[in-house]
Amino acid sequence: GQSLEQPSEVTAVEGAIVQINCTYQTSGFYGLSWYQQHDGGAPTFLSYNALDGLEETGRFSSFLSRSDSYGYLLLQELQMKDSASYFCAVPHRGYSTLTFGKGTMLLVSP
Amino acid sequence: KAGVTQTPRYLIKTRGQQVTLSCSPISGHRSVSWYQQTPGQGLQFLFEYFSETQRNKGNFPGRFSGRQFSNSRSEMNVSTLELGDSALYLCASSLTGRPDNEQFFGPGTRLTVL
Repeated sequence: GQSLEQPSEVTAVEGAIVQINCTYQTSGFYGLSWYQQHDGGAPTFLSYNALDGLEETGRFSSFLSRSDSYGYLLLQELQMKDSASYFCAVPHRGYSTLTFGKGTMLLVSP
Repeated sequence: KAGVTQTPRYLIKTRGQQVTLSCSPISGHRSVSWYQQTPGQGLQFLFEYFSETQRNKGNFPGRFSGRQFSNSRSEMNVSTLELGDSALYLCASSLTGRPDNEQFFGPGTRLTVL
């Protein structure tokens, strides 16, 4: 089977940097994705890592270590609008359908 | 380009009834996945269709079924509704259905079972 573990909640202040960790167990690894979901909204894609290392996209970066079955999402220069749930996910059986972690609720305060 | 659309957006049913939800993927996308989201279980995938064939199925009872049409539109059906089926049902499409493909989610259908 597949399982992903991530913290349930993280709090930070505007302008700060926050890291959301994710560890996974999967038979057959194809990559690690991150999605953002605002309350009441649809999940939206943030990043996908198939190879080890850091991928940077603006204020957001995502890291993967396949040997440690571990990844993280790094959010810099936090803004109030970053308050949302963040999910790590892995493709199921080599397709685009995803198995998600339970999600990390990020609360950014002024 | 229009995004993923889902109808209806809200639905209230009673136990024992059945329900059909509809999803129209982004034009040209061939893969459609369905997910159930609840506060307790989080986001769980139900099934995935690609070119009218179900190729991925999550751990849900047989009361949950789906299909995909030749134009890639998809429907899911839940029979004999239970209170625990109350959830947000999300549909997502991707271009080729490969693991590196971004999933584009629709706004969801909020199902309440009374």
